[in-house]
Amino acid sequence: AQTVTQSQPEMSVQEAETVTLSCTYDTSENNYYLFWYKQPPSRQMILVIRQEAYKQQNATENRFSVNFQKAAKSFSLKISDSQLGDTAMYFCAFMTYRMGDMRFGAGTRLTVKP
Amino acid sequence: KAGVTQTPRYLIKTRGQQVTLSCSPISGHRSVSWYQQTPGQGLQFLFEYFSETQRNKGNFPGRFSGRQFSNSRSEMNVSTLELGDSALYLCASSPGQFQETQYFGPGTRLLVL
Repeated sequence: AQTVTQSQPEMSVQEAETVTLSCTYDTSENNYYLFWYKQPPSRQMILVIRQEAYKQQNATENRFSVNFQKAAKSFSLKISDSQLGDTAMYFCAFMTYRMGDMRFGAGTRLTVKP
Repeated sequence: KAGVTQTPRYLIKTRGQQVTLSCSPISGHRSVSWYQQTPGQGLQFLFEYFSETQRNKGNFPGRFSGRQFSNSRSEMNVSTLELGDSALYLCASSPGQFQETQYFGPGTRLLVL
């Protein structure tokens, strides 16, 4: 069974600084996707970034980047130049190529302080 | 393109009743997945449909069911509601057959009294 673990229930960062959210996962599959989703107080789930397991290059989307360590089954999210609008719950998620059931971690509540 | 839409956005029911939630995927998307989000259990997968066929089902009792129509719109039904069914129900759509990125709707918040 696939599991996703986010070991940091809450984190805070000062505006304009950098923060890294941790995620580990467990799977016996070789082909899968990893995602970071953001859920602000509106509860709308917003895709932040996606990584395909077969790609060695770490994904980046503007201020967001990941550190994907396949052997260690680790998938951390780095947010640079944090903004107040980054305040939200962040969920790490895993999905195999052949199944549509995304598995989520418990989430990390990130607060960006002015 | 318009995003995923879910109706209704809020719902209050009493124990024992049944409820039907609706999800319209992004235009052209053929796969729809449903998730339940609660404070205690987090985000849990309910089921996934592609081309009117249920491809995957999570570990939920038979009271939870769903279907998908030929236009890819999907409904989920919960019968004999229990207090523990109070949750945010999220629908997500993806383009096709190979489990690409899922895009979420705003959710339906269900309160069971």
